[in-house]
Amino acid sequence: DIQMTQSPSSLSASVGDRVTITCRASQGISNSLAWYQQKPGKAPKLLLYAASRLESGVPSRFSGSGSGTDYTLTISSLQPEDFATYYCQQYYSTPLYTFGQGTKLEIK
Amino acid sequence: EVQLVESGGGLVQPGGSLRLSCAASGFTFSSYSMNWVRQAPGKGLEWVSYISSSSSTIYYADSVKGRFTISRDNAKNSLYLQMNSLRAEDTAVYYCARDLGYYDILTGYYYYYMDVWGKGTTVTVSS
Repeated sequence: DIQMTQSPSSLSASVGDRVTITCRASQGISNSLAWYQQKPGKAPKLLLYAASRLESGVPSRFSGSGSGTDYTLTISSLQPEDFATYYCQQYYSTPLYTFGQGTKLEIK
Repeated sequence: EVQLVESGGGLVQPGGSLRLSCAASGFTFSSYSMNWVRQAPGKGLEWVSYISSSSSTIYYADSVKGRFTISRDNAKNSLYLQMNSLRAEDTAVYYCARDLGYYDILTGYYYYYMDVWGKGTTVTVSS
């Protein structure tokens, strides 16, 4: 089974900061990676898919990159509404979908 | 408006059963594969099950295989999850989510992800 490991598990940052979250797969996943944002008590929201494609309606300050086993989510200039938990998710091999353990982004 | 609304959660004793429903609206339900994803209290997301648009392909996570059954009724725009032999570790918020694929013409790959999620229904397994 493919394991997804996110780092860091938590992160403190300020409004306006540039933030990068990393997701590493236990084997190559050929860009079969999505990123989700979840706020407390809410359902996850899709941000990016195919590693770097921005979902419609998502602000352009969110971007994704990577290849092989290593992928990153970057927020270019943090806004107050961006403080949330972020999850990566692979679709490449069984189990069908695997999520990372999450990265909690908090206000410094 | 594209919408998914889960229902059927509640408190159930260990070993008991529960049936979750997900009502879809605002899109052609019969054209999309669907998923159930759960989140235990204070924990991350865990994919539970997948069903294709015609119900011809079904997958389960190992943690629920043999105990949970996913199904759908395209005439009723509804997705279901029958949960039997429930355990304390099944306690979670259960989300239904629409499955979507993107075909990259350059790579020839399909990339799959979940683009629409319901608000979730809470299942608590406790005596």
